[in-house]
Amino acid sequence: NAGVTQTPKFRVLKTGQSMTLLCAQDMNHEYMYWYRQDPGMGLRLIHYSVGEGTTAKGEVPDGYNVSRLKKQNFLLGLESAAPSQTSVYFCASKLTAGGEKLFFGSGTQLSVL
Amino acid sequence: DQQVKQNSPSLSVQEGRISILNCDYTNSMFDYFLWYKKYPAEGPTFLISISSIKDKNEDGRFTVFLNKSAKHLSLHIVPSQPGDSAVYFCAATRSGSARQLTFGSGTQLTVLP
Repeated sequence: NAGVTQTPKFRVLKTGQSMTLLCAQDMNHEYMYWYRQDPGMGLRLIHYSVGEGTTAKGEVPDGYNVSRLKKQNFLLGLESAAPSQTSVYFCASKLTAGGEKLFFGSGTQLSVL
Repeated sequence: DQQVKQNSPSLSVQEGRISILNCDYTNSMFDYFLWYKKYPAEGPTFLISISSIKDKNEDGRFTVFLNKSAKHLSLHIVPSQPGDSAVYFCAATRSGSARQLTFGSGTQLTVLP
């Protein structure tokens, strides 16, 4: 079982460049999430989705966009990268609203120079 | 305003002794609490959880205690093993919330052989 798969694992961008992070889950989960982890700040929610075709803002959504065109995929986009977006990004999923336990991918280390 | 706080960034314990990791929360709407464990270059993995209707939950060497009046929870690991060395995140949510978990900043546990 692959679980939650994130690509790429590492990326270096220059300020102003754009990129898309892909998250794929094979557990038929309805809910998917994008978090960022920064030193001393834990994991903060960027955007989330409660089903195919839906998205919603989390705690720190500015500078990011997301799409959930297929149930198994949740894409995180940076249209114009900034050094403040240097972080480790984690995707997570869960089956339903009642299931509190999240399953995480292994993360994407993004550096914006 | 951090709603979930882990005030100890790091903790070192001798192998075989007890490890106690602490977590405080401020949002009285939280009624479900979880601990996640994270190794370097991996995503967080679920460790143990507790509902607000309980004050203790045990799973092998891991026990979580909840003190609702103090808005405090703790994770006890007995006995501690070198393989327990990791970052431990406390998380909280309101049951059934789609928005999901609010995380603390994490505590790096080092178990010395």
